[in-house]
Amino acid sequence: DAKTTQPTSMDCAEGRAANLPCNHSTISGNEYVYWYRQIHSQGPQYIIHGLKNNETNEMASLIITEDRKSSTLILPHATLRDTAVYYCIVRVASSNSGYALNFGKGTSLLVTP
Amino acid sequence: DAGVTQSPTHLIKTRGQQVTLRCSPKSGHDTVSWYQQALGQGPQFIFQYYEEEERQRGNFPDRFSGHQFPNYSSELNVNALLLGDSALYLCASSGRREMNTEAFFGQGTRLTVV
Repeated sequence: DAKTTQPTSMDCAEGRAANLPCNHSTISGNEYVYWYRQIHSQGPQYIIHGLKNNETNEMASLIITEDRKSSTLILPHATLRDTAVYYCIVRVASSNSGYALNFGKGTSLLVTP
Repeated sequence: DAGVTQSPTHLIKTRGQQVTLRCSPKSGHDTVSWYQQALGQGPQFIFQYYEEEERQRGNFPDRFSGHQFPNYSSELNVNALLLGDSALYLCASSGRREMNTEAFFGQGTRLTVV
């Protein structure tokens, strides 16, 4: 699976949009971009994933550049409960690839009042 | 739906001992993966089980072994514990036929080796 690069930490004011970038310049055509987050002392939580089109769900939006070498996770109205470590993961999704997730170190997002 | 459940939540063991951690997957899931998360680090993949066999393994020594039961629940065994094995151990479940979807994680077992 391709390697990802994320900023170590970011701050965001409560109520504002949090934009978390991820670089995955070596991504292959069959690799998906996944985002998970981990709130302190809890297990990781799935947020969203995508291949090439932008995706949106009730939690967030995922914007993937046309060349697929980078992406941005957007939390439209950040709350204090969104304070967590956010992991961008690139993986091949197939029945032969198993489900090994390479978490890296992620971005520690602090949402402030 | 209880989601992914792990037991125990906390455990203290002495160096050299053996430990068994348990995981029940989310209802409808047949695949279980185990991760080790050291303090301040992201989770590291240990191995994955489905159809009661180890299918994929990360870079962990043979002291780490596992088992999956017919009801899809799983155990992680660690022998000859080292101080460096102290970590949060996470179990994740997913559907084998749904590889392009998310994995669900349990809350983890905090293992302390003294």
